Amino acid sequence: KNQVEQSPQSLIILEGKNCTLQCNYTVSPFSNLRWYKQDTGRGPVSLTIMTFSENTKSNGRYTATLDADTKQSSLHITASQLSDSASYICVVSAYGGFKTIFGAGTRLFVKA
Amino acid sequence: DVKVTQSSRYLVKRTGEKVFLECVQDMDHENMFWYRQDPGLGLRLIYFSYDVKMKEKGDIPEGYSVSREKKERFSLILESASTNQTSMYLCASSPLKAQEKLFFGSGTQLSVL
Repeated sequence: KNQVEQSPQSLIILEGKNCTLQCNYTVSPFSNLRWYKQDTGRGPVSLTIMTFSENTKSNGRYTATLDADTKQSSLHITASQLSDSASYICVVSAYGGFKTIFGAGTRLFVKA
Repeated sequence: DVKVTQSSRYLVKRTGEKVFLECVQDMDHENMFWYRQDPGLGLRLIYFSYDVKMKEKGDIPEGYSVSREKKERFSLILESASTNQTSMYLCASSPLKAQEKLFFGSGTQLSVL
C-alpha cells in the first residue's frame, strides 16, 4: 500500500535553533518527492522537489535530503525564524505521476 | 505572480444545502484539482480535470460533483451538504497532468451545521 508517514506530528523550537523533519514513504515505483510549507489559513507552497537521482536540494535555509534506498527524506531548517512556524507536508509521486500521496504534515512552532 | 483564487475563505452552511466552491486560476493551466484537508490526514483528492468540460473522480468523490465550463474556473459542488463534509477545501492547478508542480489556492474552510 502506498503510504507517506511524517514525524514528528508537531515540534516546538526556539528561534535561531535548527530542526529536522522526517518523511518515510512506501510509494512505488518512486518518481519524485516534494516538500511544501503551509502557513495557517493558506494553501501549501512548494519548497523543494527531488527526483530519484538527487540526494540533497537546498532552498535558502531549507535543505531536503533523499535516500531512495531506505525510502526516507528529511527537511532541515537552519537558524529558524518566527516565520517558519507552519505545517510542512511531504508529498510523494509514483512514476508516471498518476498516484500521488500526501503526508499528514509536521506542525512546527518557532518561539521567540 | 501566479495565482489561484478561491472565492470564499470561510463558509457556514446547513445540512442539506447545496454548496458551491469556486476556484479560478490565471496561469492558463489545463489541469485543476480539488482536495480536502482534515486534521491528522494528508490531502485527499476529490476530483480533477484535465480540460474544459472534462472531469475525473479522485480518491473520495462520493457526495461531490464538479463543473469546468471554462479553462480558468473549476467548481466543486456539494449536492446536499452533510456534517462529515466539514473540512478545509483546497483547489490547485498545474501545468502537468500528474499532481506535480501544484499551485494551491488559500483554501475554503467549510462548516456544515
